[in-house]
Amino acid sequence: DTGVSQDPRHKITKRGQNVTFRCDPISEHNRLYWYRQTLGQGPEFLTYFQNEAQLEKSRLLSDRFSAERPKGSFSTLEIQRTEQGDSAMYLCASSRTLYGYTFGSGTRLTVV
Amino acid sequence: GQNIDQPTEMTATEGAIVQINCTYQTSGFNGLFWYQQHAGEAPTFLSYNVLDGLEEKGRFSSFLSRSKGYSYLLLKELQMKDSASYLCAVRPNSGYSTLTFGKGTMLLVSP
Repeated sequence: DTGVSQDPRHKITKRGQNVTFRCDPISEHNRLYWYRQTLGQGPEFLTYFQNEAQLEKSRLLSDRFSAERPKGSFSTLEIQRTEQGDSAMYLCASSRTLYGYTFGSGTRLTVV
Repeated sequence: GQNIDQPTEMTATEGAIVQINCTYQTSGFNGLFWYQQHAGEAPTFLSYNVLDGLEEKGRFSSFLSRSKGYSYLLLKELQMKDSASYLCAVRPNSGYSTLTFGKGTMLLVSP
C-alpha cells in the first residue's frame, strides 16, 4: 500500500493558463474523488469516479474543469483558463468501500 | 441543502480532555466521519458513526445522535501532536460515498 499519490505537489501558474494534475489512487481502490480546499475551509467535493465512470459532478465544477479516469486507474484534473479564484489545494482520495477515504497529500495551486 | 457547523477554534492543555462538537442539517444521512488534518497535510481518517451511540478508538471517541443531528469527537490525554484541524463530514447519500465537510475546528494544545 503506497498510498494515494498526487503530482505535482505545488503549481504556480499565470492567470489564463491551463493546468493538469494527476492522481494515482491505491491500486485496489475502484472509487476516486477530487476535492478542493481553501484556507480555513473544509474540503469541497468536485467529482467522483467509480472505475472509469464519472458518476457525480459538483456544481462547483464549471465548464473550465474537466476530469478523467481512463481505464479506471489514475485520474487527471484539468483546469482551463485559470483564474485567481482557482487558487486552492486540490485533494484526491480513493476508497475500496463506502467507508473511509484515503487522501493524497494534495496539489497546491497558486494562480498569479 | 447541506449545513455542517463546528466551532472555528479551541484551545486545551496537554493531558486534558477536549470535546469538539458538530451539528448537521443535510438532505440525507448515511454516516458521519471525523478527520484530522495537520497544517499543509492531507486529512486522515479518525472515526465513522452511522448508528447512535459512542465509538471508542484509543484516545479518541466519537458520538452520534441522529435525531438531534449532532456528533462530538472526544480527545483524551491530549498531546502536543494533537494540535490540528478536526473535520466533521457527513455522507448524505447511500449510493455514493461523497462527503460534505464542515469548515473544521482548529485545536491548539499548549504545554
